[in-house]
Amino acid sequence: QVELVESGGGVVQPGRSLRLSCAASGFTFSSYALHWVRQAPDKGLEWVAVVSYDGSNKFYADSVKGRFTISSDNSKNTLFLHMNRLRPEDTAVYFCARNGALNYMDVWGKGTTVTVSS
Amino acid sequence: SYALTQPPSVSVAPGKTARITCGGNNIGSKSVHWYQQKPGQAPVLLVYDNTDRPSGIPERFSGSNSGNTATLTITRVEAGDEADYYCQVWDFSSDHFVFGTGTDVTVL
Repeated sequence: QVELVESGGGVVQPGRSLRLSCAASGFTFSSYALHWVRQAPDKGLEWVAVVSYDGSNKFYADSVKGRFTISSDNSKNTLFLHMNRLRPEDTAVYFCARNGALNYMDVWGKGTTVTVSS
Repeated sequence: SYALTQPPSVSVAPGKTARITCGGNNIGSKSVHWYQQKPGQAPVLLVYDNTDRPSGIPERFSGSNSGNTATLTITRVEAGDEADYYCQVWDFSSDHFVFGTGTDVTVL
């Protein structure tokens, strides 16, 4: 079945880096744009970044632009989020999600938790 | 940047109808999507493109969109509908995806 599984979360000090992964299965990975969405503790959903199906276009939320990089490896059916210069306010559950035809998110992973703390 | 505003909470008795609003500037010109999120779980797509439902979503969930307000309506509310609900749009002017502030639905 269609599935997204995130990994790579953990506890990291402010200013350090972390890379998240999202393994996809059950659909043609190279045909879909993919997102990262995060949710800080007891807060709402915040869109983070999106990469187009072929990796040629990438867009970022203002809060992460210049610090985070989204990428995908179509040969491994895997989405990545490289997070640099992490801040305490980046603490959140990070979800990957598949983009539907009209820019909705129709498949979600269960999330991976990132905690930025000294 | 484009912003979507939802009421923080809505309370409804079982069997009644809940309406959750999502306000945004000329939102009626956009395609609005709705998600349900239960505690500790990932969001689930409930309604897409204002009124359509993915397969497996009950007909009790419906959406509408006009002017400056989109609305998610839940009829015959059940205890299992207790969750947070979010609206979402794509803002083409900035190529940003935007979520609403979220609404906590409580079934009395």
